[in-house]
Amino acid sequence: QKEVEQNSGPLSVPEGAIASLNCTYSDRGSQSFFWYRQYSGKSPELIMFIYSNGDKEDGRFTAQLNKASQYVSLLIRDSQPSDSATYLCAVNSAGGYNKLIFGAGTRLAVHP
Amino acid sequence: KAGVTQTPRYLIKTRGQQVTLSCSPISGHRSVSWYQQTPGQGLQFLFEYFSETQRNKGNFPGRFSGRQFSNSRSEMNVSTLELGDSALYLCASSLAGATNEKLFFGSGTQLSVL
Repeated sequence: QKEVEQNSGPLSVPEGAIASLNCTYSDRGSQSFFWYRQYSGKSPELIMFIYSNGDKEDGRFTAQLNKASQYVSLLIRDSQPSDSATYLCAVNSAGGYNKLIFGAGTRLAVHP
Repeated sequence: KAGVTQTPRYLIKTRGQQVTLSCSPISGHRSVSWYQQTPGQGLQFLFEYFSETQRNKGNFPGRFSGRQFSNSRSEMNVSTLELGDSALYLCASSLAGATNEKLFFGSGTQLSVL
């Protein structure tokens, strides 16, 4: 079983719709969770982070965390073509220090 | 504030050679991590440095090594290059490398081994 799992996609949504990206993780001791966006040929860019159960909103993005279910999600409201990218879920290893375990990423395609 | 700077941007090497990649963290950041990204394996953790000490290491062979200098700049070295080492090598920095800190990535070094 992979430590961090994501559906590879592609997830195709129309412009203006809500895109829902999901991630599950295996290490119950994980404390911090991150979403990175990576455009083709570019490096990952941090867009959201969450540490506590519940929802965290930042502009069009909402991160949701459920530690009991070991589940993290990212919602993108009013999706735009510029949101088309690969979204990487990352979980901080419970072993301490900043060692991130990444999922394989979900490719999102927003079509006009 | 300048971001994480990695040099060179591209490298082409042949099997058996060695390579050194450089990373300058964001000013004030003292923790530097290195990751390897390949299409097949995704992003994988190589190692993390803080105050010139390696605190954490991923599951890579000993051919992969690194170091950090007193100004927090870091280098990673890969010796006896293999074809499978072709990848995007990403450096990331954070303030002190604590568990809940945000990690910021550089643009990466694209290494091709022929």
